[in-house]
Amino acid sequence: AQSVTQLGSHVSVSEGALVLLRCNYSSSVPPYLFWYVQYPNQGLQLLLKYTTGATLVKGINGFEAEFKKSETSFHLTKPSAHMSDAAEYFCAVSVFYGGSQGNLIFGKGTKLSVKP
Amino acid sequence: DAGVTQSPTHLIKTRGQHVTLRCSPISGHKSVSWYQQVLGQGPQFIFQYYEKEERGRGNFPDRFSARQFPNYSSELNVNALLLGDSALYLCASSLDPGDTLGYTFGSGTRLTVV
Repeated sequence: AQSVTQLGSHVSVSEGALVLLRCNYSSSVPPYLFWYVQYPNQGLQLLLKYTTGATLVKGINGFEAEFKKSETSFHLTKPSAHMSDAAEYFCAVSVFYGGSQGNLIFGKGTKLSVKP
Repeated sequence: DAGVTQSPTHLIKTRGQHVTLRCSPISGHKSVSWYQQVLGQGPQFIFQYYEKEERGRGNFPDRFSARQFPNYSSELNVNALLLGDSALYLCASSLDPGDTLGYTFGSGTRLTVV
């Protein structure tokens, strides 16, 4: 069964510092992987997604993630944190069933705080 | 173009009551999925509907039900509300039920059960 583990429920960085949010997945088949961001009292916004091909995926707002099959990881990074990056971040994996029905399985989320 | 719209944005209900949440998908999207996000947790899949038929169901009790209308909008119903049903309910629309790559989420309905 597919699952997602996000290491660290809360990460705090200084403005301008590297952001690293960790995600490990479990999947019996090649996965589709996603990072979403959620600002307070809002829905989920897609940051980036991995399907096949290039393992380094670039997303919006300067974020990127690298798919490492050998480590079953899909960590999210940003070279320089901005105050506006403060939000909660969710890693997710696609689950597919017979008949093309699919849904997402999410990790528990990592809350990113950015200190001035 | 309008995104995924959910209504109401917030509501408060009493234990034992019933609630109906509504979702309108992006124009052209025929599949609607519902997720429950309890405070401090990631979203959990509840239902998926496509062409008015249930295509998938998560591990939720029978108190939860949903339906999809001819215009592809959807309702999520929860009966006999429990305190534990307090959560943000998110709707996602996509072209078809397998199109997780094309998910667009609404802003959610915040349900508080007292």
